[in-house]
Amino acid sequence: LAKTTQPISMDSYEGQEVNITCSHNNIATNDYITWYQQFPSQGPRFIIQGYKTKVTNEVASLFIPADRKSSTLSLPRVSLSDTAVYYCLVAYSGGYQKVTFGTGTKLQVIP
Amino acid sequence: GAGVSQSPRYKVAKRGQDVALRCDPISGHVSLFWYQQALGQGPEFLTYFQNEAQLDKSGLPSDRFFAERPEGSVSTLKIQRTQQEDSAVYLCASSSGGNQPQHFGDGTRLSIL
Repeated sequence: LAKTTQPISMDSYEGQEVNITCSHNNIATNDYITWYQQFPSQGPRFIIQGYKTKVTNEVASLFIPADRKSSTLSLPRVSLSDTAVYYCLVAYSGGYQKVTFGTGTKLQVIP
Repeated sequence: GAGVSQSPRYKVAKRGQDVALRCDPISGHVSLFWYQQALGQGPEFLTYFQNEAQLDKSGLPSDRFFAERPEGSVSTLKIQRTQQEDSAVYLCASSSGGNQPQHFGDGTRLSIL
């Protein structure tokens, strides 16, 4: 399983765009990149998943460069309710999605 | 409900007791995962089921941990002769398989006294 590295913590003001970058240098050809969000006392919640280039959904965008050795989660106009831990995962898609969570990035949104 | 349900939400046990944690996955999901999450850490993989078959139990920390999913739906994680280091949140997740994202329950917080 590819190991991921992401910042331990980030602060942002409300209304700003937040970009969290994750490095995964030894990602394999069949691996997907997935991001989860976790609030205290809750299980992780799926945000977005991608293989290459750009993926966008109603809550976030995921940017993946051609070499796929990193990825950036972009959260537009964050609010206080976006304060959470964000995990970047690399999951093998060949069989089942066995994933390894790191320690994540704790995002603190400031009023 | 439509999501993954875990029970109990909280469990307190004395060291040496056996405990059983239950997971009700999303209906129709073939894949089921168990994770252990220590305070301030990310979830760590314990075991994986595809329907009733336990295909990967490489993350189970010792032979005191046992998981089953006899009918391919509800799963139970059992910990025998609990130790203080077993105190953690135990998360269950299910998915429709392949590279589909996992849907997590809110976990069972286990405290061993």
